Amino acid sequence: GENVEQHPSTLSVQEGDSAVIKCTYSDSASNYFPWYKQELGKRPQLIIDIRSNVGEKKDQRIAVTLNKTAKHFSLHITETQPEDSAVYFCAASTAGSARQLTFGSGTQLTVLP
Amino acid sequence: NAGVTQTPKFQVLKTGQSMTLQCAQDMNHNSMYWYRQDPGMGLRLIYYSASEGTTDKGEVPNGYNVSRLNKREFSLRLESAAPSQTSVYFCASSAGRRNTEAFFGQGTRLTVV
Repeated sequence: GENVEQHPSTLSVQEGDSAVIKCTYSDSASNYFPWYKQELGKRPQLIIDIRSNVGEKKDQRIAVTLNKTAKHFSLHITETQPEDSAVYFCAASTAGSARQLTFGSGTQLTVLP
Repeated sequence: NAGVTQTPKFQVLKTGQSMTLQCAQDMNHNSMYWYRQDPGMGLRLIYYSASEGTTDKGEVPNGYNVSRLNKREFSLRLESAAPSQTSVYFCASSAGRRNTEAFFGQGTRLTVV
């Protein structure tokens, strides 16, 4: 089955700096890669996703890049703010009727004021 | 529109007791999922249901059973709880296929003593 590895497990940045979180996946058939943000005690919520026919996608301060050849994808957050502090999860899924997701182990991002 | 609703939010069980976690969604989604979240391990898929009437094992199904009662409801049962099942459980749903965003419930924090 699919295996997703995520790095780093913790990341601290100064407010206004950029943050980058990287994930690798094992199944070359995976074609959908979402990123979820989970604030303390809350449910995970989708912040951005990318499909395998796209190399990069941007939404305001958040961007995701995908390298299918190397089987890795990354989340980039620019101009970080204290409210960006949370746990971020990457995930991957293959085409199929259920589209079940395989998640990375998460990155605790702390934005220092 | 409540989205995905889980009950209960908190539960303490004694080893060997049984219980059922309830999940309902009002988004007319085809696919539903149960994940468990443990520190440092991300979200791991327990069982999923691609559509009403079907269920399949995920990554960590041992010790659990599920029922897709109808299109809205997907329950998770622990027949004989063990301390290793102490975790936060999340139910999720998605439209399936190309519409793949997964929406999560608020979670159930289960402690087995």
